[in-house]
Amino acid sequence: NAGVTQTPKFRVLKTGQSMTLLCAQDMNHEYMYWYRQDPGMGLRLIHYSVGEGTTAKGEVPDGYNVSRLKKQNFLLGLESAAPSQTSVYFCASSSLTSGVYEQYFGPGTRLTVT
Amino acid sequence: EDKVVQSPLSLVVHEGDTVTLNCSYEVTNFRSLLWYKQEKKAPTFLFMLTSSGIEKKSGRLSSILDKKELFSILNITATQTGDSAVYLCAVESGGSYIPTFGRGTSLIVHP
Repeated sequence: NAGVTQTPKFRVLKTGQSMTLLCAQDMNHEYMYWYRQDPGMGLRLIHYSVGEGTTAKGEVPDGYNVSRLKKQNFLLGLESAAPSQTSVYFCASSSLTSGVYEQYFGPGTRLTVT
Repeated sequence: EDKVVQSPLSLVVHEGDTVTLNCSYEVTNFRSLLWYKQEKKAPTFLFMLTSSGIEKKSGRLSSILDKKELFSILNITATQTGDSAVYLCAVESGGSYIPTFGRGTSLIVHP
């Protein structure tokens, strides 16, 4: 049981380049989330999904797109990277069925945009 | 707009000290409050609190919720260097199951 995995772990982009971050979970969770974490800012929600084929905007969605074509995968896309998107990105998933709504987090992706 | 405020933002103590971390919130239709510990990697779950006055305990860590005054505290007794981490508080509200996180408290425990 791998839990939540993220690919890649590190990436350096030039301004204007695009990339996709992949999140995968093997716990059959309904909910998946993408966060960014900047120093002193806690976790800020970018986008989330409540099920396969559905996505919604979070607190800081601008400059990002997401897709959830399969229940176990949640992709985060940057179409034209900007230095302001330099951050650590965490994916998380959670289930509504256990009664404890804790989130399980992936190991993070450190992205630097130059 | 839901709001979660943690205090202090940072704390430096020595091993053996007891610390109290605070989390206050303003949300509509409160459902639950969760505490996470984040070392140099992903956050890991500590506690979920839904009812006032019921203490949750795990070893040297304990937490309690006050739904009337809208806050929670996380206590760590006899701190160890391994307790050094950022402690995050998150509150879920309404029917969304989408938590709002506070900025975290950075705890450093010196030997």
